[in-house]
Amino acid sequence: NAGVTQTPKFQVLKTGQSMTLQCAQDMNHEYMSWYRQDPGMGLRLIHYSVGAGITDQGEVPNGYNVSRSTTEDFPLRLLSAAPSQTSVYFCASSYMVEGGYTFGSGTRLTVV
Amino acid sequence: SQQGEEDPQALSIQEGENATMNCSYKTSINNLQWYRQNSGRGLVHLILIRSNEREKHSGRLRVTLDTSKKSSSLLITASRAADTASYFCATAFSGAGSYQLTFGKGTKLSVIP
Repeated sequence: NAGVTQTPKFQVLKTGQSMTLQCAQDMNHEYMSWYRQDPGMGLRLIHYSVGAGITDQGEVPNGYNVSRSTTEDFPLRLLSAAPSQTSVYFCASSYMVEGGYTFGSGTRLTVV
Repeated sequence: SQQGEEDPQALSIQEGENATMNCSYKTSINNLQWYRQNSGRGLVHLILIRSNEREKHSGRLRVTLDTSKKSSSLLITASRAADTASYFCATAFSGAGSYQLTFGKGTKLSVIP
């Protein structure tokens, strides 16, 4: 099992560019979420999904969009990148909302 | 806003000693989870304790939960250099149409060989 796969691992964007961070899991987990991790801030929830076709906002959703067309995939879209979005992004999934999460290895994004 | 707050922010101990990390939170929860993050890596789930449980063990890990004080502790016994990592508590809440796992800022543990 691959678990949770995130691509790319590293990305540099110019301010104003858009991009999609990919997340895929092969564990048939219903619950998926995106977090960003900044130094001294811990992990903050961006968006989450409780199943295909259902998404909701977390603590810091502004500037990001998500969709969940399949159980396996949960891409995160940056609409117009800003330097404040420089961070490490983690995707996570769980078999149930209240279960232990499996995390991907992260995407390190730099916006210049 | 973040729910859990770990204490201390950093902890340095000798190999073989026990390490204790604490977590406090603000609102009611369904369960509380602890995760480990090695430098530059993703988080790894360690243990989950439900709101109706008071103590749980997994190998060298012991977790306690006091819902009246809204606090939890993680004890790592007989620490090893490989335990060097950041440890995060996370509180799970589901209800009123909201489903979230909220993380604290973490405790950075250094185990000196």
